[in-house]
Amino acid sequence: DVKVTQSSRYLVKRTGEKVFLECVQDMDHENMFWYRQDPGLGLRLIYFSYDVKMKEKGDIPEGYSVSREKKERFSLILESASTNQTSMYLCASNQRGTGSNGYTFGSGTRLTVV
Amino acid sequence: GQQLNQSPQSMFIQEGEDVSMNCTSSSIFNTWLWYKQDPGEGPVLLIALYKAGELTSNGRLTAQFGITRKDSFLNISASIPSDVGIYFCAGSTGSSNTGKLIFGQGTTLQVKP
Repeated sequence: DVKVTQSSRYLVKRTGEKVFLECVQDMDHENMFWYRQDPGLGLRLIYFSYDVKMKEKGDIPEGYSVSREKKERFSLILESASTNQTSMYLCASNQRGTGSNGYTFGSGTRLTVV
Repeated sequence: GQQLNQSPQSMFIQEGEDVSMNCTSSSIFNTWLWYKQDPGEGPVLLIALYKAGELTSNGRLTAQFGITRKDSFLNISASIPSDVGIYFCAGSTGSSNTGKLIFGQGTTLQVKP
């Protein structure tokens, strides 16, 4: 069964901490994405990557960075966590192309920053 | 960033009722997708539409790709409690090779037994 795995379902971190959210996919997909989900705002794209070591900013990249050293792994980094980064974070992947094949999502990481 | 206009934002219905939700865009899309997100999980693909006018069913779910290519709707017939969740529409303009989708804001569905 193909899947996207996010390493943590729930995280609680303190303000100012450096936070790593990990995502691994086993489908040999070229593209990987990080979204955050907030009530009433839908899914907002933070960063995406279409190849190893390649990354592009999405709609809300401020306060975040990413790393893609291997094809199967895409990490989201909160350089200095703040309370307004409390949210549900979703990782997704798909094959290179026009998006017509849709995404496969992970189960999400609910991050609380206190 | 660009988002699709999805409505309604939320629905609270009685079990057995039919449900309808839709998405509109100012841009033309080549692909429309509908996802469902169960509480505490990631979204899962329900239906994919690839052709203007296309009508596709998946069990009690039916979705259509609008003729103008700027809209899509999803219908759920005879709702049951497990239909509870958030439904997202998503579209691809096909104009890039990055595979990036554009999402609606979601429709939260609650079903009263």
